[in-house]
Amino acid sequence: GAVVSQHPSRVICKSGTSVKIECRSLDFQATTMFWYRQFPKQSLMLMATSNEGSKATYEQGVEKDKFLINHASLTLSTLTVTSAHPEDSSFYICSARRPGNEQFFGPGTRLTVL
Amino acid sequence: GESVGLHLPTLSVQEGDNSIINCAYSNSASDYFIWYKQESGKGPQFIIDIRSNMDKRQGQRVTVLLNKTVKHLSLQIAATQPGDSAVYFCADPPSEGDSSYKLIFGSGTRLLVRP
Repeated sequence: GAVVSQHPSRVICKSGTSVKIECRSLDFQATTMFWYRQFPKQSLMLMATSNEGSKATYEQGVEKDKFLINHASLTLSTLTVTSAHPEDSSFYICSARRPGNEQFFGPGTRLTVL
Repeated sequence: GESVGLHLPTLSVQEGDNSIINCAYSNSASDYFIWYKQESGKGPQFIIDIRSNMDKRQGQRVTVLLNKTVKHLSLQIAATQPGDSAVYFCADPPSEGDSSYKLIFGSGTRLLVRP
């Protein structure tokens, strides 16, 4: 299967700082990438759809000014959590869509905000 | 798709026994389903998929059954092993005509394998 990577795998930051998470498709070009958030013992909740070269589409209830998404190339999307607070602590997972609709998931990034 | 949900949040089985994980869906127009396995601290991994023109599909130690009449699908794992311990999600991928490409996940079932 295709490979999607995320960096960092885990990050701890102080409240009020911003954190950037990278999602890369390593062996295919992804016109669409997705960002999910997963709280403990819960399912994956879609946050936004990231399209290369255009603005991201956010799901209802997700603050676009807080979760900045940039999809600058066909292999890279970034999620920046701005002014992070403890309630933003979560497991953030990206996926990349390959032509043909297959989606491949990254390994996730564990964010802990102190 | 619309909501996709699971009947059982946690399933505990003895190593070597068979496991059955269930999933209900509400959108009768859904025509394709995927089962994912998510190990602790990792992203979901594709296990097996099934299209609505089938009612059964088998993989290595896994079988997915689809009952369109009652909008239910199940994942059966034969001879469950400790490495099968994970959370399992069913997902309803978007139809070909759905340009959103959004994947809707069920609530998940945690499978615990007792040694």
